[in-house]
Amino acid sequence: DTAVSQTPKYLVTQMGNDKSIKCEQNLGHDTMYWYKQDSKKFLKIMFSYNNKELIINETVPNRFSPKSPDKAHLNLHINSLELGDSAVYFCASSLRRGHRFYEQYFGPGTRLTVT
Amino acid sequence: AQKITQTQPGMFVQEKEAVTLDCTYDTSDPSYGLFWYKQPSSGEMIFLIYQGSYDQQNATEGRYSLNFQKARKSANLVISASQLGDSAMYFCAMRTNTNAGKSTFGDGTTLTVKP
Repeated sequence: DTAVSQTPKYLVTQMGNDKSIKCEQNLGHDTMYWYKQDSKKFLKIMFSYNNKELIINETVPNRFSPKSPDKAHLNLHINSLELGDSAVYFCASSLRRGHRFYEQYFGPGTRLTVT
Repeated sequence: AQKITQTQPGMFVQEKEAVTLDCTYDTSDPSYGLFWYKQPSSGEMIFLIYQGSYDQQNATEGRYSLNFQKARKSANLVISASQLGDSAMYFCAMRTNTNAGKSTFGDGTTLTVKP
């Protein structure tokens, strides 16, 4: 009965490689997010999709490309990985309706280590 | 621009005592939502409590309550009867209708509960 799942949980790769992280939610939410948490635990939003439409695109290098094939899935592809990309990447989902602000449900995180 | 400030990088509390974690926010939006999340050492992000800007009463969820002072723009989290399992990092976050409902997170407060 996992709510928000991410794969893989750990990812160790070398500089210059391309990698993808996948996220799926079974909560029926219409909005999904990617966050990056650095080594100091600062949490910063990267992207958000609402009903498969990109609605938030923060200042993130072009090497990062999100894709949402449907409302329940959001993937993150990273090209030409750099040392500074090492972080924990969280996927999250929530509802986005009317004027109510709904809480976000987070996945377990993907710890990316670039060597 | 939205901003969340958590001024306590670390806090200690004795088991069974109450503790208040501070959060101040800044926004020009009249409508916003305030959230608290818990991140234990295992890494997952757990939603704790929500307060809407138009809510008349302070939010409560079990041992968690939110001391919402709108004029002071503060949304402090109060944990009553602290337990060892409350040791974690706590993040305050805000969402507004500006910027597609993007969440802004504070830098977090690490709470340690002493036996």
